[in-house]
Amino acid sequence: GAVVSQHPSWVICKSGTSVKIECRSLDFQATTMFWYRQFPKQSLMLMATSNEGSKATYEQGVEKDKFLINHASLTLSTLTVTSAHPEDSSFYICSERGNRSEQYFGPGTRLTVT
Amino acid sequence: AQSVTQPDIHITVSEGASLELRCNYSYGATPYLFWYVQSPGQGLQLLLKYFSGDTLVQGIKGFEAEFKRSQSSFNLRKPSVHWSDAAEYFCAVGDTGGFKTIFGAGTRLFVKA
Repeated sequence: GAVVSQHPSWVICKSGTSVKIECRSLDFQATTMFWYRQFPKQSLMLMATSNEGSKATYEQGVEKDKFLINHASLTLSTLTVTSAHPEDSSFYICSERGNRSEQYFGPGTRLTVT
Repeated sequence: AQSVTQPDIHITVSEGASLELRCNYSYGATPYLFWYVQSPGQGLQLLLKYFSGDTLVQGIKGFEAEFKRSQSSFNLRKPSVHWSDAAEYFCAVGDTGGFKTIFGAGTRLFVKA
């Protein structure tokens, strides 16, 4: 399967600041990548679909101005959490889509906002 | 609408015992079906997938799953559980016409010595 990396794996930031999370496809040209959020002991919540060269598609209830997604190349998608607040603290996971909707996930980024 | 149900929030099995994790789905046609495993603080790893053909699917780490259309189920099995199998397991349905994947709520597996 494809290999996906995320950076950073863990970040702590102060309330009001912005944080950028990178998701890289290491061995596959990913035209579509996904961003998920996962709360403790819960399933994954799809936030948005990241499309290379075009605007991301956000799920209902996800603030596009708060969670900025950029997919400028076939190997890199970024999620920027703007003006972060403690309620944004979560585990963020990206994935890339395979040929038949299987997904290959990054290791995740744990964000803590103080 | 598509949905995935994992009836068991958590399961505890003894090491060496057999395991079956249940998954039921709702989908209008034959879906793409997946099982993923997540260790604490990690991303998800694809265990196995079903697209078509043989309804018994073999995966990594000794896992297998059986697609039963009549029961709308895709249960995950392993004949002998190892302590390292303790993790969260997610069943998922892929949209054959689009891109999205719907995940179940997950089943946490505990393995006791």
